[in-house]
Amino acid sequence: AQSVSQHNHHVILSEAASLELGCNYSYGGTVNLFWYVQYPGQHLQLLLKYFSGDPLVKGIKGFEAEFIKSKFSFNLRKPSVQWSDTAEYFCAVNAGNNRKLIWGLGTSLAVNP
Amino acid sequence: DAGVIQSPRHEVTEMGQEVTLRCKPISGHNSLFWYRQTMMRGLELLIYFNNNVPIDDSGMPEDRFSAKMPNASFSTLKIQPSEPRDSAVYFCASTYLPAYRGEDLMLSYEQYFGPGTRLTVT
Repeated sequence: AQSVSQHNHHVILSEAASLELGCNYSYGGTVNLFWYVQYPGQHLQLLLKYFSGDPLVKGIKGFEAEFIKSKFSFNLRKPSVQWSDTAEYFCAVNAGNNRKLIWGLGTSLAVNP
Repeated sequence: DAGVIQSPRHEVTEMGQEVTLRCKPISGHNSLFWYRQTMMRGLELLIYFNNNVPIDDSGMPEDRFSAKMPNASFSTLKIQPSEPRDSAVYFCASTYLPAYRGEDLMLSYEQYFGPGTRLTVT
């Protein structure tokens, strides 16, 4: 069965630190990949997505993610986090015939000022 | 566009009562998803509709849960009778899914989420 794994459940960083959140999926074929963000008390919103082309995808607010097909990974990165990046981050995959998104359990990021 | 609209935003009810959550998708979207979010289980897909037809309801917990989409602009999720373990935030999301034309054509789509309904069952 298709699945998405986010390795870090809770991450605590200081402002200006670099961020990398892991995401791995299980599916051997063509995939669409997404990162969503949920700020405290708010709904999920799209951070970035990959569906073809350049495997390095740039999203909003300085975030980027790299699709490495050989590793089945789509890790999220930001070189310097801010307090306002405190949120929950979800990785999701749309794969093959599956028309729904398969979601990871999320990573809670807390950035200390 | 107003985005996905959900009502109510907060619902507090007693165990055994019927609860109805409502969702209005973005105009022009043909697919609607109901999710439940809890601390313990994260984000779970309950059911999704395509062109008002339920496609996958495998995530619906049990018979107490039912969902309808009578037209392209409205959907309901009903819990009857409600139980304390149903307490969660329920999100509705919508998107446009083109007609399926084979695995060679992979179209990217983004799900747009509503603000959610925070349900508390006491």
